[in-house]
Amino acid sequence: GDSVTQMEGPVTLSEEAFLTINCTYTATGYPSLFWYVQYPGEGLQLLLKATKADDKGSNKGFEATYRKETTSFHLEKGSVQVSDSAVYFCALSEGKAGTALIFGKGTTLSVSS
Amino acid sequence: DTAVSQTPKYLVTQMGNDKSIKCEQNLGHDTMYWYKQDSKKFLKIMFSYNNKELIINETVPNRFSPKSPDKAHLNLHINSLELGDSAVYFCASGGGGRNTEAFFGQGTRLTVV
Repeated sequence: GDSVTQMEGPVTLSEEAFLTINCTYTATGYPSLFWYVQYPGEGLQLLLKATKADDKGSNKGFEATYRKETTSFHLEKGSVQVSDSAVYFCALSEGKAGTALIFGKGTTLSVSS
Repeated sequence: DTAVSQTPKYLVTQMGNDKSIKCEQNLGHDTMYWYKQDSKKFLKIMFSYNNKELIINETVPNRFSPKSPDKAHLNLHINSLELGDSAVYFCASGGGGRNTEAFFGQGTRLTVV
């Protein structure tokens, strides 16, 4: 079945460092790909998405490119802030009615000043 | 207005009790979900409803029973609570289409003592 694999955390960075969180997927079809963020004590919020190969999703300085050839959707940010500390989830959706998002295990990011 | 709201936010109860978590969405989506997040932050789909019809019913004990009185509501009832049921439960809704992300509630932290 479909699955998402993302790098194990935690990731600990200093403010203004470059961030990469790796995500690869396995899917039978052509899924949509998502990054969600979960701040402490809150629900998940959509960070960005891409729906077809070579699409680049971007939001709040984060970006990720849908790479069909490497089945990847790595999250990057050029300069992280303390407020970016959160858990990041990569997810995919086949998009059929009623099908659920399939999530990776989450990567905890901790940014210190 | 909160798009996906679930109540209660915290729930502490004794083993053997029966409890319910309520979820409502005002986004007009056809599809609603229940996810369970364990202590390691892993998100697992439990149920999915599309237009009040059960679509996904993952390997979840029979003690868990979802009920969807209408498209905007998906409640979760849990019988005979066990210690292992302690987790954060998230309700979500989504358009169900390929390009549509899921919107999450704030979560219900269930603690069984």
